[in-house]
Formats: sequence, structure tokens, C-alpha cells
Amino acid sequence: QKEVEQNSGPLSVPEGAIASLNCTYSDRGSQSFFWYRQYSGKSPELIMSIYSNGDKEDGRFTAQLNKASQYVSLLIRDSQPSDSATYLCAVNGRSGAGSYQLTFGKGTKLSVIP
Amino acid sequence: NAGVMQNPRHLVRRRGQEARLRCSPVKGHSHVYWYRQLPEEGLKFMVYLQKENIIDESGMPKERFSAEFPKEGPSILRIQQVVRGDSAAYFCASSEGTLDTQYFGPGTRLTVL
Repeated sequence: QKEVEQNSGPLSVPEGAIASLNCTYSDRGSQSFFWYRQYSGKSPELIMSIYSNGDKEDGRFTAQLNKASQYVSLLIRDSQPSDSATYLCAVNGRSGAGSYQLTFGKGTKLSVIP
Repeated sequence: NAGVMQNPRHLVRRRGQEARLRCSPVKGHSHVYWYRQLPEEGLKFMVYLQKENIIDESGMPKERFSAEFPKEGPSILRIQQVVRGDSAAYFCASSEGTLDTQYFGPGTRLTVL
């Protein structure tokens, strides 16, 4: 059973601070990695994708991947109240059926305090 | 540039009825995925389809659930003889390729009375 683990939170940070979200995964053969944001009652929306080891930056967001440690993280700089949401880590790896399957963590709830 | 479209957005069914959920992928995307999200739970993979083919249905219950993605028209997730435990949000996603980013539709919220 492939697993993706995240701290459920809630993670509370003050406005303007850096929020750090972490994720570990069990399938060493995983190929691609994603962070989605989900507001309550809404659908997941893509924040970042990362495919190779290292850092990837996009505006206030930085994704970090360490395949040796099976670890993915998301940093949000200058956090805003509008960043308050649940952040889902998703990992794409081989399924038992031989195709690729996206496995989601349960999400970390982030609260940015004004 | 339309994203993934799902309808209906909300669906209410009585126990024993059939629920039919539709999904139109992003134009040009041939890979479609269905997920279920129970209240306060994570997203669970159900089925992966390409045009006219089911690629992976390992996450879909064997009984009562079926999915299709015909040559023409939207992908359909069908739930027969619904039970209260089927109440959930059902999301469809599409991608250009197998390892590419999956883009999600707005979801269908199914309530079984």
C-alpha cells in the first residue's frame, strides 16, 4: 500500500511569516510530485509540481524534493490570510495495475493569522 | 480556455436510486481520473480512463460502481443502487500524459437520503 504522510495540522503562522509544509512518501519508485491547495468546499488547485531533486521556486512558493529521503516540502513566503487552506501533497507512482496513480496525503490545514 | 467541467455540481438521490456523474476533460487531454473525497478525508483514487479504455480501476468498488469514457462525449461515473455511505464529493481530473499535472474539475457533491 503506497502511502503519503502529512501532518494534519492545523499549522498556524502569523501574516508575513514563512509557512513550511512537509510530506513523506513510501514508494521509492515515485516519479512526479505535486502540491495542491484546497479551500473548504472547493476542488484542489495546483500550486507546484516538481520532478527532480532540489528546489523549484514560483513566486512566493518553493517546493523541495529529496528522493533519497523520500521527502517533499512546500515553503510559502510572506504568508497571507488568503493562503489559509488545506494543502495536499500528491505523489505519482506505479500502481498495482501497472499504470501510474496519484496518491494523496490527507492534507495539512494552514491558518494564517492577520 | 475551458478547464475540466463536471455536472451536476450537486446531486441528491434516495437510497436505491442511480447516480450518474459527468466529466468533460480539458480540451486536448485524453487521460481522465475520478476521485472520491469523504468529509474530512483525503482524496482517494477510483479509476483512470483513456478514450474508450479503462486503464486502472483498482480504487473503484467492484459492486455498483462503473465508469466509461466513450469516443464521443464526456466521461461518466455511474453508481447504481446508492447507499448513504456513497455520500461524498466526487472529483474528476484530466491530464495530457500519464505523469503530467492533473487538473481538477469543481466536483459533484452527492447526497444520499
